[in-house]
Amino acid sequence: KNEVEQSPQNLTAQEGEFITINCSYSVGISALHWLQQHPGGGIVSLFMLSSGKKKHGRLIATINIQEKHSSLHITASHPRDSAVYICAVLSGGGADGLTFGKGTHLIIQP
Amino acid sequence: EAGVAQSPRYKIIEKRQSVAFWCNPISGHATLYWYQQILGQGPKLLIQFQNNGVVDDSQLPKDRFSAERLKGVDSTLKIQPAKLEDSAVYLCASSLIRAGGYTFGSGTRLTVV
Repeated sequence: KNEVEQSPQNLTAQEGEFITINCSYSVGISALHWLQQHPGGGIVSLFMLSSGKKKHGRLIATINIQEKHSSLHITASHPRDSAVYICAVLSGGGADGLTFGKGTHLIIQP
Repeated sequence: EAGVAQSPRYKIIEKRQSVAFWCNPISGHATLYWYQQILGQGPKLLIQFQNNGVVDDSQLPKDRFSAERLKGVDSTLKIQPAKLEDSAVYLCASSLIRAGGYTFGSGTRLTVV
């Protein structure tokens, strides 16, 4: 069973700051997802990674398969980025359900 | 393209009552997932369907939870009877192929009192 750890658990920063959220997992995976969850429960998929780096707007996600580690970066953070960011991994094999981290609660203050 | 539709958005029931949630995935998405998210925790997979067949229901409490996807399109998740610890957000997600990109619904927030 894959164990997914995220850090930090909570993060408060000022508008404009560069944000980094980390994710580590215990067992080799076939893919890793970064998800964004706003109050009310809806989840939006930000990235799906299996290697290297992806960029979308101000968001950058990287993964190091050998070290079993991924990071999500937000450049020029804005209050609308305030949300819970969740790392989830796909371990492969017969079943395809994601194993989720507990999430990082991010607050960007104006 | 329309997203993953879920209803109801909120539900409050008393313990020992029954409740059902509905999910309509994105058209053409063969794989459908139900997740349970308890407050402060990451979502936990309850059941995964591939078309109308069950791929994984190892974490579904089968004494009280049931789910079906009879025609391989929309799905219902039922709890009977509900317990206080079932209070959570129930999320439905779908993907075009197994292990593909996910699209999540907005979830159903269940409160059992």
